[in-house]
Amino acid sequence: EAGVAQSPRYKIIEKRQSVAFWCNPISGHATLYWYQQILGQGPKLLIQFQNNGVVDDSQLPKDRFSAERLKGVDSTLKIQPAKLEDSAVYLCASSLGLAGAADNEQFFGPGTRLTVL
Amino acid sequence: LAKTTQPISMDSYEGQEVNITCSHNNIATNDYITWYQQFPSQGPRFIIQGYKTKVTNEVASLFIPADRKSSTLSLPRVSLSDTAVYYCLVGDQNNNAGNMLTFGGGTRLMVKP
Repeated sequence: EAGVAQSPRYKIIEKRQSVAFWCNPISGHATLYWYQQILGQGPKLLIQFQNNGVVDDSQLPKDRFSAERLKGVDSTLKIQPAKLEDSAVYLCASSLGLAGAADNEQFFGPGTRLTVL
Repeated sequence: LAKTTQPISMDSYEGQEVNITCSHNNIATNDYITWYQQFPSQGPRFIIQGYKTKVTNEVASLFIPADRKSSTLSLPRVSLSDTAVYYCLVGDQNNNAGNMLTFGGGTRLMVKP
């Protein structure tokens, strides 16, 4: 089966500019996650969707980050305006249901590497 | 919120068995233990999940003692391609408090020839 798709793979912008990332989860997966992974650290959850509803966005910097999953399938994550500290890899993942239950492992995409200059 | 503690790094040689232990002293009754593997420039990949005792699949084994305050990921006969970062996650199937989605710093495993 096709995996989680993300685009672009790389993006370089200047601070205060805007950027958007796109994710297409595995077909049939109800749950979608966006993570931020700073170099040398583990992934940090930004937002979690169940279908098109938000389950958890407690760690999303809402003053500059936004995400949507309008039709319960693909999703976009936006940063506006970007800061230097936003330089990281942004990972999208999906699972059949909520991660933690049996057979609900997360499948990760390749990520988008963002560099903010 | 269950927190996990793992060694920052480990070294091994090809053909050896590697055991990575994760401490999760505050694990709750409904929490599952899940391990992920991450290669450079890739997203994490699921390895194994368990609740108690021992779980084995084609890739690894997971040992969980009776008190469940720790778990050990066992990789039999590692090869150079097992060089990666390994993450231990603890959470429940209802994803209460987002436990399942808290990655720690992981353990960086280096396998040498």
